[in-house]
Amino acid sequence: QQNVQQSPESLIVPEGARTSLNCTFSDSASQYFWWYRQHSGKAPKALMSIFSNGEKEEGRFTIHLNKASLHFSLHIRDSQPSDSALYLCAVSMLSGSFNKLTFGAGTRLAVCP
Amino acid sequence: GGIITQTPKFLIGQEGQKLTLKCQQNFNHDTMYWYRQDSGKGLRLIYYSITENDLQKGDLSEGYDASREKKSSFSLTVTSAQKNEMAVFLCASSIPRTSGNTLYFGEGSRLIVV
Repeated sequence: QQNVQQSPESLIVPEGARTSLNCTFSDSASQYFWWYRQHSGKAPKALMSIFSNGEKEEGRFTIHLNKASLHFSLHIRDSQPSDSALYLCAVSMLSGSFNKLTFGAGTRLAVCP
Repeated sequence: GGIITQTPKFLIGQEGQKLTLKCQQNFNHDTMYWYRQDSGKGLRLIYYSITENDLQKGDLSEGYDASREKKSSFSLTVTSAQKNEMAVFLCASSIPRTSGNTLYFGEGSRLIVV
């Protein structure tokens, strides 16, 4: 059974800071790695995904994956108050013909102006 | 763009009561999901459906039933509500691909058991 853990549980950073969120997973056969963002009372929305080792950058957000160490991370450059949200990492792998997604418990980020 | 609509936004029921949550999507996606969100525990999969009239149990299906009578709708029934089941229930849909599937979520329905 896939086990996905996130750290830290919560984080408070000043506006403009670089923020790093971490996610570890247990199954080395995992195929896709996601970050979802959920603002309070709103729907979780997919932020970024990656499937091969290395980095992927989209605007202020960078996702880094190291499959050998069963770890991936999200880095936010120049953090803004609008980035304050619950960040959920998720890992997918094929279960039969179904691509099953397992989520972590989330990191709650607060960016203070 | 599409949207996922969950009703009701808040569902208040008594312990032991049978309660139903509804979800509609207009993405024309094949696969739909119900997740339960508890604080500190992330999202846990209750049921999913890969097509109309299909139902598959997730990791947390005990105490729940689901129904997918149309491609666009997926409902979840709590068969006997318990106070420890108070949580947010999230519906999602996707086009499943072997290369990975993006889930599109609704805003959730909060279950309150009194």
